[in-house]
Amino acid sequence: DTAVSQTPKYLVTQMGNDKSIKCEQNLGHDTMYWYKQDSKKFLKIMFSYNNKELIINETVPNRFSPKSPDKAHLNLHINSLELGDSAVYFCASSQGTAGGQDTQYFGPGTRLTVL
Amino acid sequence: QKEVEQDPGPLSVPEGAIVSLNCTYSNSAFQYFMWYRQYSRKGPELLMYTYSSGNKEDGRFTAQVDKSSKYISLFIRDSQPSDSATYLCAMRTGNQFYFGTGTSLTVIP
Repeated sequence: DTAVSQTPKYLVTQMGNDKSIKCEQNLGHDTMYWYKQDSKKFLKIMFSYNNKELIINETVPNRFSPKSPDKAHLNLHINSLELGDSAVYFCASSQGTAGGQDTQYFGPGTRLTVL
Repeated sequence: QKEVEQDPGPLSVPEGAIVSLNCTYSNSAFQYFMWYRQYSRKGPELLMYTYSSGNKEDGRFTAQVDKSSKYISLFIRDSQPSDSATYLCAMRTGNQFYFGTGTSLTVIP
């Protein structure tokens, strides 16, 4: 039973298009994240939501907009796609935000290719 | 300076060897330390999680944290070809997680 799932797994699109990536977790976690992993494997956090509330918003172009309809879902919408947006996008979730033992569980990733 | 530094490798060892993977960090506020394993075209999966300085063992894996030196290590004993993957260290303070760039490991049969 998949804990953190993402759709689609692969996304190939043209520059200038708008696309969305969906993420769902069935772990009952309160916090969800979006990461971008570039070709050099560097994982960089983009956003984090706790109980549908934005708590981390790193320096990311405002073409990227996260949306959390409920605490089990965190979607990522990208407007006006650019070549540099090509990367693997990972969704993750964790139980809480601070204090205590807490770590993240990752989805399988969405490989985005912008042509 | 990056928050977390990790040698990207690649590291290639024969089967059965002991592997040592390391990360250094600059932020003394980091409280929790993790190691993730990432197979090609897969998401990172949690291997080890530590809080305090010292060693933590789980099967063939040992995680070591030295907060005074701001240095963490992952040791893999009796390495297997199935251990071939990228290993990422990660650190947390509050609700912020920081990842190393990952070390690519290949275990040769």
